[in-house]
Amino acid sequence: EAQVTQNPRYLITVTGKKLTVTCSQNMNHEYMSWYRQDPGLGLRQIYYSMNVEVTDKGDVPEGYKVSRKEKRNFPLILESPSPNQTSLYFCASSLFGSGPYEQYFGPGTRLTVT
Amino acid sequence: GEDVEQSLFLSVREGDSSVINCTYTDSSSTYLYWYKQEPGAGLQLLTYIFSNMDMKQDQRLTVLLNKKDKHLSLRIADTQTGDSAIYFCAVPSPYNTDKLIFGTGTRLQVFP
Repeated sequence: EAQVTQNPRYLITVTGKKLTVTCSQNMNHEYMSWYRQDPGLGLRQIYYSMNVEVTDKGDVPEGYKVSRKEKRNFPLILESPSPNQTSLYFCASSLFGSGPYEQYFGPGTRLTVT
Repeated sequence: GEDVEQSLFLSVREGDSSVINCTYTDSSSTYLYWYKQEPGAGLQLLTYIFSNMDMKQDQRLTVLLNKKDKHLSLRIADTQTGDSAIYFCAVPSPYNTDKLIFGTGTRLQVFP
């Protein structure tokens, strides 16, 4: 089954404790992206990747890191989480970045930073 | 700057039509999208329209695009309770077509 998986689905952590949210897709997609969803603000892009070893900043990259060492994986790293990073995070992938291509979304990771 | 606006809520009676509106400040001349998010799930693509089109119909869905006014709308005919969800429009950044800008989302509630 074609899908995007994220782990963990729920995470409660404390300020400053490094964490990684994993994202994996099995569709051989070139493009992957991370978003955060906050009430009243919609989805905002954190980082995206056009291909292996190619990443770029989205609209809200501060406090986050990503890497794309393999085509299928695109982990999101919070080196020193803060309470303002409490949010619902989505990973997405698509065949290419632009054009009539659907972005397939993972189920989301709800992160709470206390 | 890039800004995509939607009204936050819409409530309709089952069987009526729903119209969800989206306005944007600027966009690349390419595809514009509508995504649906059901409770507790990620987003799924509903439909898209190419920027040289004014209208696209897909079963109960009609997308209208007014490029002059930078206005995109999604009409759902014969709205059902299963259509209750959050709907997002998404437009490519005018500076980078690989970057999608999502709207704030409209929560559609369908009541019997």
